[in-house]
Amino acid sequence: QQQVKQSPQSLIVQKGGISIINCAYENTAFDYFPWYQQFPGKGPALLIAIRPDVSEKKEGRFTISFNKSAKQFSLHIMDSQPGDSATYFCAASYGYNNDMRFGAGTRLTVKP
Amino acid sequence: EPEVTQTPSHQVTQMGQEVILRCVPISNHLYFYWYRQILGQKVEFLVSFYNNEISEKSEIFDDQFSVERPDGSNFTLKIRSTKLEDSAMYFCASRDGGRPLQHFGDGTRLSIL
Repeated sequence: QQQVKQSPQSLIVQKGGISIINCAYENTAFDYFPWYQQFPGKGPALLIAIRPDVSEKKEGRFTISFNKSAKQFSLHIMDSQPGDSATYFCAASYGYNNDMRFGAGTRLTVKP
Repeated sequence: EPEVTQTPSHQVTQMGQEVILRCVPISNHLYFYWYRQILGQKVEFLVSFYNNEISEKSEIFDDQFSVERPDGSNFTLKIRSTKLEDSAMYFCASRDGGRPLQHFGDGTRLSIL
């Protein structure tokens, strides 16, 4: 199956708090799991990505946790800032084509 | 930093008309993609293109749609006989041959009246 399920649909976090967004996938052939950030009127921009041979990847305030056996991965945004307010999409792809399947998106609002 | 460029940013078309959405991928990229995002919904894969042919297409990409790389720089999506439900943001993406990272353009908002 090609589905990627994402939750929550929307998230409100206070400045300085931790934002957590979760995704689950079905197709075990997926081998690349990126997170994209999208601001209104803009295209998705890669935030961070992980391969299934790694359980965690951290870049600055952004961390991906990956659980291969559960077929789940999550994005953690530490010390969330108002500038992080955007829609976040998880995605998954596989093969040389790398055609991506996106989650439904999470609208994050960070309140000052 | 190199960017994927899409034109126009907004296209308004009468139902039943043909529309061509244009993209200039990053110059050394080899793989090209079109995605669609209906307002407030998720980004949906339409088609991938490599070596001058379609690599894969989704169930959305029916006979109404076609893609072309008419020259060494442009990548186009043509929608024939547009329908109201074709109204969406259309994103072009490209990547090089080595890494799976896809770079997205800022999209074309297509409005069908």
